[in-house]
Amino acid sequence: NAGVMQNPRHLVRRRGQEARLRCSPMKGHSHVYWYRQLPEEGLKFMVYLQKENIIDESGMPKERFSAEFPKEGPSILRIQQVVRGDSAAYFCASSSQQGSQETQYFGPGTRLLVL
Amino acid sequence: QQPVQSPQAVILREGEDAVINCSSSKALYSVHWYRQKHGEAPVFLMILLKGGEQKGHEKISASFNEKKQQSSLYLTASQLSYSGTYFCGTENAGGTSYGKLTFGQGTILTVHP
Repeated sequence: NAGVMQNPRHLVRRRGQEARLRCSPMKGHSHVYWYRQLPEEGLKFMVYLQKENIIDESGMPKERFSAEFPKEGPSILRIQQVVRGDSAAYFCASSSQQGSQETQYFGPGTRLLVL
Repeated sequence: QQPVQSPQAVILREGEDAVINCSSSKALYSVHWYRQKHGEAPVFLMILLKGGEQKGHEKISASFNEKKQQSSLYLTASQLSYSGTYFCGTENAGGTSYGKLTFGQGTILTVHP
């Protein structure tokens, strides 16, 4: 009964490097949401994906950030040329269906630190 | 627009009650409540849909006032395990209903023995 899995749990990068964050949804779930949480703040929506499709990326910064959810394998959030301001906890959540009645189950998060 | 939660922080003794409010300036379709402990993932508590329903789970319940665009989370006879930051996530009415949530800034609840 595995829940949402994310790896790595902690990631340290130097400015200018790339960060790749992985999210495996719960078994049977095909909807993935990515959120960013800055210290002492709430969760900010970034992107919503279904298998092979980006449904809503209105919360994604225009540059350096991209996300995918391939037919096989985990969802990937990619941050190119990281800057100190990218340091945050990145959570993904998954649900089994689309819609307001569906519970989003969160993973443990990846804590990114940019030096 | 981010929903506003109040109060920002609450300190209780075991057994006391608390109410956390979540207000939006936009018409809401649903409200989702989560609790997050420091360094951990948010844990789902309950969903309330448009219609003013009230839900309960053991000693934690919630209501949704559609007219006021406000939801309240009620914690009764608090336990030490209730400590954490409570977030409401709202979905605005009128858009594509797929569950995109906008979260409030959180309410920090601390329960002392």
